[in-house]
Amino acid sequence: EIVLTQSPGTLSLSPGERATLSCRASQSVSSNHLAWYQQKRGQAPRLLIYGASSRATGIPDRFTSSGSGTDFTLSISRLEPEDFAVYFCQHYDSSLTFGGGTKVEIK
Amino acid sequence: QVQLQESGTRLVKPSETVSLTCTVSGGSVSSSIYYWGWIRQPPGKGLEWIGSIYNSGTTYYNPSLKSRVTVSLDTSKSQFSLRLTSVTAADTAVYFCARHTVIGPVFYGTDVWGQGITVTVSS
Repeated sequence: EIVLTQSPGTLSLSPGERATLSCRASQSVSSNHLAWYQQKRGQAPRLLIYGASSRATGIPDRFTSSGSGTDFTLSISRLEPEDFAVYFCQHYDSSLTFGGGTKVEIK
Repeated sequence: QVQLQESGTRLVKPSETVSLTCTVSGGSVSSSIYYWGWIRQPPGKGLEWIGSIYNSGTTYYNPSLKSRVTVSLDTSKSQFSLRLTSVTAADTAVYFCARHTVIGPVFYGTDVWGQGITVTVSS
């Protein structure tokens, strides 16, 4: 069973700054099977990225993602006020696995 | 635009069974590129996948919950359901139904989510 570890647990940044979030898999995974989500308080998660680097419909281009093998990164180039939220990575195979999440909070 | 809506048991006693239904509107549950699943989130915690079902009826379950979970699909009603037996306080969570999209070798993500239903286990 694949385990996804996200770091840091919390990221304290100011609007306009760059955020870099990490997702590490316990074993090598296909980039085609890695996704990222944003969740705001009281809401369902929203798909941001699929296939490790493709933005979902309507996701602004300040969200980018890269990686392969066991190490994947989600970057937000310039934080907007609405970007402060919790972010999860997810791996798909016969099971679905989520990372523990990274909270991006206002500094 | 596809929408998902959860309904069902909101308050259940320990050892009893939670039964939830997800109604799909604006789209078909029969397409082979979609499969349907349940994900939960305990208060203040992360996301936990519970189980999923393809339109063929093939199911996949979280190994940690497999002995207590059944996911079923009713294409005639455009609904899929979750049964979770022998619940404890640890099963208290927001339960989301969701659509996953897979086309060939690519997972296009869990791209549609219900709003979530809060299930509380308490005597």
